[in-house]
Amino acid sequence: DAGVTQSPTHLIKTRGQHVTLRCSPISGHKSVSWYQQVLGQGPQFIFQYYEKEERGRGNFPDRFSARQFPNYSSELNVNALLLGDSALYLCASSPVPNSPLHFGNGTRLTVT
Amino acid sequence: GESVGLHLPTLSVQEGDNSIINCAYSNSASDYFIWYKQESGKGPQFIIDIRSNMDKRQGQRVTVLLNKTVKHLSLQIAATQPGDSAVYFCAENTGGFKTIFGAGTRLFVKA
Repeated sequence: DAGVTQSPTHLIKTRGQHVTLRCSPISGHKSVSWYQQVLGQGPQFIFQYYEKEERGRGNFPDRFSARQFPNYSSELNVNALLLGDSALYLCASSPVPNSPLHFGNGTRLTVT
Repeated sequence: GESVGLHLPTLSVQEGDNSIINCAYSNSASDYFIWYKQESGKGPQFIIDIRSNMDKRQGQRVTVLLNKTVKHLSLQIAATQPGDSAVYFCAENTGGFKTIFGAGTRLFVKA
């Protein structure tokens, strides 16, 4: 079975630009979560979607938004990029909330 | 805000020895705890989990212990192998839609 897939794997953007990151969950998983991981730190929770509705949001500015599609795939959007947004963005899926997360290998975003 | 912390940022063990990675959590309402392993260039990988109605749970070479009185979680790895070298994260969930990760402990296994 395919695991969680994320695209692109790497991305370089300029300050002020917009970025869209994509995630396909494991087949049958209805919950998708997004995390930001800065080098040397643990993943920081951004969003969780379940059954296409936002169910949880972390302490991130409104520049960050996401959505989940009818096929349970998801997009994370970040507007007005800042240098500090440079990080590894991880997507995780699970069958239901409050169960083990299955992570993709992330999208490495560099903002210059 | 909520946080899950770790006692030791780095742990070095000899191959074949047992490893113990500790974690303190801050939210007494958390009822689900998970350990993840992250290797370089990869996303975190699920190792083992435990619900708050249990004190101990065993898997293959791994054991998780939960002490709710002092809000402490530990991961024990038996007969540590070079392939166990990675960063280990504990994480907590309060039964809702947010899993909070700690900062991580890097485990080095010496051959």
